[in-house]
Amino acid sequence: EVQLVESGGGLVQPGRSLRLSCAASGFSFDDYAMHWVRQAPGKGLEWVSYINYNSGSTGYADSVKGRFIISRDNAKNSLYLQMNSLRAEDTALYYCAKDYSSSSVGAFEIWGQGTMVSVSS
Amino acid sequence: SSELTQDPAVSVALGQTIRITCQGDSLRTYYASWYQQKPGQAPVFVFYGKNIRPSGIPDRFSGSSSGNTASLTITGAQAEDEADYYCNSRDSSANHVVFGGGTKLTVL
Repeated sequence: EVQLVESGGGLVQPGRSLRLSCAASGFSFDDYAMHWVRQAPGKGLEWVSYINYNSGSTGYADSVKGRFIISRDNAKNSLYLQMNSLRAEDTALYYCAKDYSSSSVGAFEIWGQGTMVSVSS
Repeated sequence: SSELTQDPAVSVALGQTIRITCQGDSLRTYYASWYQQKPGQAPVFVFYGKNIRPSGIPDRFSGSSSGNTASLTITGAQAEDEADYYCNSRDSSANHVVFGGGTKLTVL
């Protein structure tokens, strides 16, 4: 079964850091680009970041550029998001998603169930 | 970066056909993808590009595109199709992806 399982969310104070993880199974992880997408409570979907199949290319939304770092470990079938200098507006459910392609066509074929990040003092 | 525009809400009578649209400059260059999201659930990939429908998605879901507008058509809407629908595409900015604001579909 193709599956993505996120972890690492929680309550954190503004300005602090958090690292999210996404464990992939059921497909050849190192063949596909991966993404992080977030959804603030009651709001729509917002793309956060992307990494291609071999970590050779990454991209970030303007709202997180310079604060978040995406990475992957293909040997561990895992995707990560290091979130630094967190702000209240980063509060959201964070999903990892598998792209349809090895680079990024922006088609998110498989989604995890998400991990909640709350930024508050 | 570019934007994708969707109608906030649409409705359709049970068994009728509805077209949900998505407009944006990026769609002149890149294909759109479509996702269905029901309350409390993760989004589900329902269509991509001209003709890619994932396995398990009913064939009443179809996609099309013309110019800067992509459309998701549900032919013979069912009660279980009531959900939020989001479009997205690659962005003209390098390595970016953009989402539409979502359309809430009500099946009457």
